[in-house]
Amino acid sequence: NAGVTQTPKFQVLKTGQSMTLQCAQDMNHEYMSWYRQDPGMGLRLIHYSVGAGITDQGEVPNGYNVSRSTTEDFPLRLLSAAPSQTSVYFCASSYSSGRARTDTQYFGPGTRLTVL
Amino acid sequence: EDQVTQSPEALRLQEGESSSLNCSYTVSGLRGLFWYRQDPGKGPEFLFTLYSAGEEKEKERLKATLTKKESFLHITAPKPEDSATYLCAVHTGNQFYFGTGTSLTVIP
Repeated sequence: NAGVTQTPKFQVLKTGQSMTLQCAQDMNHEYMSWYRQDPGMGLRLIHYSVGAGITDQGEVPNGYNVSRSTTEDFPLRLLSAAPSQTSVYFCASSYSSGRARTDTQYFGPGTRLTVL
Repeated sequence: EDQVTQSPEALRLQEGESSSLNCSYTVSGLRGLFWYRQDPGKGPEFLFTLYSAGEEKEKERLKATLTKKESFLHITAPKPEDSATYLCAVHTGNQFYFGTGTSLTVIP
């Protein structure tokens, strides 16, 4: 198993550009999520999905879109990048979030994004 | 408001000097508490999950415990390779909330 994979590892954007961060998992996990990590702020939840076709907002959703058409993939879209979106982005997945003792999340290696 | 607080922010230990990291939480309906290790430039690596007060988990030099208000990560006789940032997270509803972490440095 490759686990949770993310591409790209590094990205530099100009203000106003759009891009998609890719996330895939091969563990047949129902729950997938996106976090951003900023110095002194910890990991903050952007969006999450409890299954294919179902997404919801987390703590800091503004400026980001997601969709979940398959169990394996959960891309994060930045429609018009802003310098405030400079951060490290992590994707995570777990078997589920609703059933007992199946909610341990496993993280990808991260994407370091800089918006100029 | 759901909140997770970790202390201390940073901890320097001599090799072999045992200590504890704290994670206190105020959430409605705790489903689980998680400990992760994060090395620089890497994603968080899962260590432990605790589900009920009184539960304990151990792995090598690490031991995690849980009460109704906080969790401790005890590090016994640490080695330099234990140097990392340790993150605590809680699961409530469909969301997970993370603390800001404790940066641990173990000096040879």
